[in-house]
Amino acid sequence: DVKVTQSSRYLVKRTGEKVFLECVQDMDHENMFWYRQDPGLGLRLIYFSYDVKMKEKGDIPEGYSVSREKKERFSLILESASTNQTSMYLCVVTDRGVNTEAFFGQGTRLTVV
Amino acid sequence: AQSVTQPDIHITVSEGASLELRCNYSYGATPYLFWYVQSPGQGLQLLLKYFSGDTLVQGIKGFEAEFKRSQSSFNLRKPSVHWSDAAEYFCAVVIYNQGGKLIFGQGTELSVKP
Repeated sequence: DVKVTQSSRYLVKRTGEKVFLECVQDMDHENMFWYRQDPGLGLRLIYFSYDVKMKEKGDIPEGYSVSREKKERFSLILESASTNQTSMYLCVVTDRGVNTEAFFGQGTRLTVV
Repeated sequence: AQSVTQPDIHITVSEGASLELRCNYSYGATPYLFWYVQSPGQGLQLLLKYFSGDTLVQGIKGFEAEFKRSQSSFNLRKPSVHWSDAAEYFCAVVIYNQGGKLIFGQGTELSVKP
């Protein structure tokens, strides 16, 4: 199975800080996604990338940016953290093939105070 | 825009009763559809998936789902619910002509009463 590792399980940051969330996969899969998960709202797509240096906005990109310099690593950046960005952040990886399933990181619980 | 809608935020069923969780999608081409389950404090686990062929697909834990193109639906069913099925369920669709974009529904929380 693909292993997807997020750099932190829990993070507490102050309002206005720049925050980096890292995601690393151990297989050669093309697609990587960042979602935030909030009660009653499901998983909302922030950004995704289908290749190195390629990125596409999801449904809620405001206040976030991403970086994918290497195929195995996809970073989510909160340029200036705000309290409404307190959430669970999930990294997801898929292959480009038709018969694919998603592989999930363990999640990062970010609290902005 | 493509979307996935799960109309029921929370459902409660009695143990042993049948279950149906609804999922509707909005996508012009043939969708690739999934159901995932998330138990409290756990990650998401794949229950089943549909790509093509037989519109009734079987999954793990006794779940099945039926793809109905005419209704743009992919409802999840189980004939007899167990207390351990209490969890949150997510429907998802992959948009292959957008680089494999993966969209989830809002989720349905299932409670099971004795």
